[in-house]
Amino acid sequence: EAQVTQNPRYLITVTGKKLTVTCSQNMNHEYMSWYRQDPGLGLRQIYYSMNVEVTDKGDVPEGYKVSRKEKRNFPLILESPSPNQTSLYFCASSFGSTPYEQYFGPGTRLTVT
Amino acid sequence: AQTVTQSQPEMSVQEAETVTLSCTYDTSENNYYLFWYKQPPSRQMILVIRQEAYKQQNATENRFSVNFQKAAKSFSLKISDSQLGDTAMYFCAFQPSQGAQKLVFGQGTRLTINP
Repeated sequence: EAQVTQNPRYLITVTGKKLTVTCSQNMNHEYMSWYRQDPGLGLRQIYYSMNVEVTDKGDVPEGYKVSRKEKRNFPLILESPSPNQTSLYFCASSFGSTPYEQYFGPGTRLTVT
Repeated sequence: AQTVTQSQPEMSVQEAETVTLSCTYDTSENNYYLFWYKQPPSRQMILVIRQEAYKQQNATENRFSVNFQKAAKSFSLKISDSQLGDTAMYFCAFQPSQGAQKLVFGQGTRLTINP
């Protein structure tokens, strides 16, 4: 089954404790992105990757890091999480540039206390 | 920078009624794509419908249709014969035809279908 998986689905952590949210797709997609969803703001792009070893900032990259060492994986790293990073996070992938459909993962609910 | 605005934070209708969700956007580009995504309580993002800006004909998908007004930069979603399963958050999204693979989302409209 074609899908985007994220782990963990839920995470509660404390300020400053480094964490990684994994994202993996099995569709051989070139493009992958991370978004965060906050009430009243919709979804906003954090980082994106157009291929292996090619990443760039989205609209809200502060406090996040990413890497793309393999085509299928695109982890999101929070090296020193803060409470304002409490959010719902989505990974998405697509075959290429528009108009290919973006496939979203199931989401990761992160709470930073 | 492109922006997308959904001016209706919440809407509520009775089952079987027709409902229209509003979306406006701002861009200086001529070619782009517009989407409506549905997010049910499961949180999964589900593509409902897509419209290419170069197409004058409005997109339709079964009970879902759009009213795309390019000059007015308006992209509303009409749901006909609404069903309880349509209850969800709906997001309007914009994507440029060139450059970064990025969706710009509106704030969302929470739609409730009442029995």
